[in-house]
Amino acid sequence: EAQVTQNPRYLITVTGKKLTVTCSQNMNHEYMSWYRQDPGLGLRQIYYSMNVEVTDKGDVPEGYKVSRKEKRNFPLILESPSPNQTSLYFCASRRGSYAYNEQFFGPGTRLTVL
Amino acid sequence: KNEVEQSPQNLTAQEGEFITINCSYSVGISALHWLQQHPGGGIVSLFMLSSGKKKHGRLIATINIQEKHSSLHITASHPRDSAVYICAAAIQGAQKLVFGQGTRLTINP
Repeated sequence: EAQVTQNPRYLITVTGKKLTVTCSQNMNHEYMSWYRQDPGLGLRQIYYSMNVEVTDKGDVPEGYKVSRKEKRNFPLILESPSPNQTSLYFCASRRGSYAYNEQFFGPGTRLTVL
Repeated sequence: KNEVEQSPQNLTAQEGEFITINCSYSVGISALHWLQQHPGGGIVSLFMLSSGKKKHGRLIATINIQEKHSSLHITASHPRDSAVYICAAAIQGAQKLVFGQGTRLTINP
């Protein structure tokens, strides 16, 4: 089954404790992206990757890091989480780089930073 | 002003009603996506439109490129249609998607 998986689905942590949210896709997609979703603000892009070893900042990259060492995986790293990073996070992937291609979303990770 | 605006933000209707959700955008696009987000949080792609109209079951999506406007219609609405519907504009020549803020639809039995 074609899918994007994320782990963990729910996470409560404390300020400053480094964490990683994993994302993996099994569709051999070149493009992967991380979004955060906040009430009233909609989905905003954090980072994206056009292919292995190619990553770039989205609209709200501050406080986040990513890596793309393998085509299927695109982890999101919060080196020192803060309460304003409490949000619902989605990983997504699509074929090719153009945004008219269908996007496949992961199930979401609900992060709470105390 | 957001580049992609949806209306209404919230919509409550009775089962069986015809539903329309609107999406207007101010940028040049190569396509427009309609997404559905269920209460559990997951997001699925419903349609990708670059012109005209598409239909899938009870869902119909239309786009008017000249007017920079798209609509999502649901015929014979059902409580299981209750979800947040999001439009997303694929910026012309770019990798970027710009999302509307979503329309929360509630269908009462």
